[in-house]
Amino acid sequence: AQKVTQAQTEISVVEKEDVTLDCVYETRDTTYYLFWYKQPPSGELVFLIRRNSFDEQNEISGRYSWNFQKSTSSFNFTITASQVVDSAVYFCALSETTNAGGTSYGKLTFGQGTILTVHP
Amino acid sequence: DADVTQTPRNRITKTGKRIMLECSQTKGHDRMYWYRQDPGLGLRLIYYSFDVKDINKGEISDGYSVSRQAQAKFSLSLESAIPNQTALYFCATSDSSGGYNEQFFGPGTRLTVL
Repeated sequence: AQKVTQAQTEISVVEKEDVTLDCVYETRDTTYYLFWYKQPPSGELVFLIRRNSFDEQNEISGRYSWNFQKSTSSFNFTITASQVVDSAVYFCALSETTNAGGTSYGKLTFGQGTILTVHP
Repeated sequence: DADVTQTPRNRITKTGKRIMLECSQTKGHDRMYWYRQDPGLGLRLIYYSFDVKDINKGEISDGYSVSRQAQAKFSLSLESAIPNQTALYFCATSDSSGGYNEQFFGPGTRLTVL
């Protein structure tokens, strides 16, 4: 069975600090996809990034960066120079696949979420 | 206009009442999902549907039923609501033609069962 663990329940930082959100996953699939979603106070879910299991390149998008390490089954998310608008709940998620061809079943397993509060 | 819509957005009901949550999408996706979100538990899958004739139970289907009336519509029903079904419910869609599964979420329905 798949499992996603976000051990940090809540993180509080002051604006301009860097912050890293941890995500550790378990799966027996050799091909899978990892995601991060943001849920601001308004409640909607905002897609941030998708990464497949064959692509271990780190990615940077503005102040956001992601570190995927297959050896440790981790997919961590760093916000550089945090801002008050980054305050939200962040979810890491894992999608299983049907076969070695990599077609996705489409079901997401979510972590428990990390509540990030950025103080001015 | 939103691609994935959910109605109602908020609902308060009483124990034992039947309630239906509706989801519609204009993305043309074949797959649709229902999740519930509880504090500290993340989102958990209730039911999913890969097409109109393919409906499957998810992780926590007890107490829920679904109907896929058309490719664009997927409804979630609580036949006899109970207080521990108080939660935030999300509908999502995805396109099976891709090799990955980016799911697009609706805005959520906040359900309170008294």
